[in-house]
Amino acid sequence: EPEVTQTPSHQVTQMGQEVILRCVPISNHLYFYWYRQILGQKVEFLVSFYNNEISEKSEIFDDQFSVERPDGSNFTLKIRSTKLEDSAMYFCASRGDRGREKLFFGSGTQLSVL
Amino acid sequence: AQSVTQLDSQVPVFEEAPVELRCNYSSSVSVYLFWYVQYPNQGLQLLLKYLSGSTLVKGINGFEAEFNKSQTSFHLRKPSVHISDTAEYFCAAMDSSYKLIFGSGTRLLVRP
Repeated sequence: EPEVTQTPSHQVTQMGQEVILRCVPISNHLYFYWYRQILGQKVEFLVSFYNNEISEKSEIFDDQFSVERPDGSNFTLKIRSTKLEDSAMYFCASRGDRGREKLFFGSGTQLSVL
Repeated sequence: AQSVTQLDSQVPVFEEAPVELRCNYSSSVSVYLFWYVQYPNQGLQLLLKYLSGSTLVKGINGFEAEFNKSQTSFHLRKPSVHISDTAEYFCAAMDSSYKLIFGSGTRLLVRP
């Protein structure tokens, strides 16, 4: 089965630094998502992206966050100035136009902000 | 707004015993419902989903769930659990924009 790939699997950074989390969605998918999961808590929606623009974003997705599809294959989440509370597992997901209910998740990037 | 409630944060059970993990959703429209499993240090894996049709849905690893519209529930069941089923289980609903709304998760702890 096709997979969503996320890199790196673990990222450690200092508070105030910028980080970029990378995702390679499934090749023919058009809709992309970022979710995050703080340790011990539920998975929370951050943002959805379609046709090179944000479709929807949550309250968590403030000005420190941005998303981009810099080329035909990658989908990135940037955090401009990381805070301690940004430490979480970040999941990328994608779906196609057909089978809209089927969201494919990557295995996640564990971000640790020190 | 849609919400998903998982009342049990942790469910301990002995190996080979049956288990039910509870999930309730709120919605006034048709919903797509899902159960995901997260094994330690891993990502989210789809167990099963309900889109329409038969209210009893069978998934991977012997799990099944029943959609109950009158009770707005989508409880997950397995007749006999294994140690390897120890994991976090998330119920989720998909809203009208095809965004998943997750419950808070239930940790299933299977003891020998």
